[in-house]
Amino acid sequence: AQTVTQSQPEMSVQEAETVTLSCTYDTSESDYYLFWYKQPPSRQMILVIRQEAYKQQNATENRFSVNFQKAAKSFSLKISDSQLGDAAMYFCVFIYGGATNKLIFGTGTLLAVQP
Amino acid sequence: ETGVTQTPRHLVMGMTNKKSLKCEQHLGHNAMYWYKQSAKKPLELMFVYNFKEQTENNSVPSRFSPECPNSSHLFLHLHTLQPEDSALYLCASSQRVAETQYFGPGTRLLVL
Repeated sequence: AQTVTQSQPEMSVQEAETVTLSCTYDTSESDYYLFWYKQPPSRQMILVIRQEAYKQQNATENRFSVNFQKAAKSFSLKISDSQLGDAAMYFCVFIYGGATNKLIFGTGTLLAVQP
Repeated sequence: ETGVTQTPRHLVMGMTNKKSLKCEQHLGHNAMYWYKQSAKKPLELMFVYNFKEQTENNSVPSRFSPECPNSSHLFLHLHTLQPEDSALYLCASSQRVAETQYFGPGTRLLVL
């Protein structure tokens, strides 16, 4: 069975600094998708970044980048130049769209950004 | 952001009431989802619809009844709920299952 683990319930970063959120997963599948979503206090779930497992290149979206280590089943999110608006709950998500669809959210990491 | 809308945004109901949550997506997507988000618990996938057909029911109690009349609309009919069903209910859609999901703002439900 697939699992997603976020081992850091809470993290804190100074404004303009860099922070890395960790995520590990377990699966026997080879073709899947990984996502990071953020959920600010408004509770609106917002896509941060997406990674296809078949792609070796790490995805990047402006200040957000991932370190995808397929063999190690690791998918960490790096936020550079942190801003106050980055404060949110961050969820790591595994999606497999095979014969039986699997969509699994991690437990989340609450990120605080200190001014 | 008006891609995925949910109504109502807040709902208070008694355990004997019947109510419905509505989700509408304006993105031309073919897959829609219901999630439950409770405090201190991981996000729980409840139902998945793909081209109006239910493809997943994650052992959800029968007091929750989904309905997908077309690819743009998804309902969650509620009846005889329990206080532990109080949560934020999120709707999402995607072009296809296993692709990027876009979420609505959620309905915050309180069962008294």
